[in-house]
Amino acid sequence: DGGITQSPKYLFRKEGQNVTLSCEQNLNHDAMYWYRQDPGQGLRLIYYSQIVNDFQKGDIAEGYSVSREKKESFPLTVTSAQKNPTAFYLCASSQRSGYNEQFFGPGTRLTVL
Amino acid sequence: AQKVTQAQTEISVVEKEDVTLDCVYETRDTTYYLFWYKQPPSGELVFLIRRNSFDEQNEISGRYSWNFQKSTSSFNFTITASQVVDSAVYFCALSGAYSSASKIIFGSGTRLSIRP
Repeated sequence: DGGITQSPKYLFRKEGQNVTLSCEQNLNHDAMYWYRQDPGQGLRLIYYSQIVNDFQKGDIAEGYSVSREKKESFPLTVTSAQKNPTAFYLCASSQRSGYNEQFFGPGTRLTVL
Repeated sequence: AQKVTQAQTEISVVEKEDVTLDCVYETRDTTYYLFWYKQPPSGELVFLIRRNSFDEQNEISGRYSWNFQKSTSSFNFTITASQVVDSAVYFCALSGAYSSASKIIFGSGTRLSIRP
């Protein structure tokens, strides 16, 4: 089945630690995205990538980093510089053009202890 | 700048009632795309519909229907004969075709609760 997988579903980390969230897609999509969702709020774009080895900052990129070495994978690292990292993180992918709908993974809920 | 406004934060209705979720958007692009997504309690966003700015025809899919009106910059979503399984957060979203083609702007969402 084609789709997007994110792992782990729940993640706990201590303050001061970096943590990497995984996102893999087998839809052959060129574009991939990372969003952050806080309780009762909408989605905010962290980073996006339209093609391998290229990515752009979204609206709230500070404290996060990404890489896009393979078309299928777009991991997100939450660094210790992120002041308030506890949130629900959603990964999405779409055909390259922005007007195409995005398909989402199941999300990772990150809690900083 | 692009913006999507979902003024209804929460809506609660009794099962079998009809309910309309409002969406108002702002964009300077002449070509753009509008979307609706559903986020059930599991968290994963589910794509419902995409509409381009040149097509103002209303669309119906089973109990779901969408009313797109460029004159009022609105793209409202109606659920007919609501069911408990419709309970979710619904997001309206906007994408430009050119200058902002890479990003989809999401509204803040409307939490819909259907009571049995």
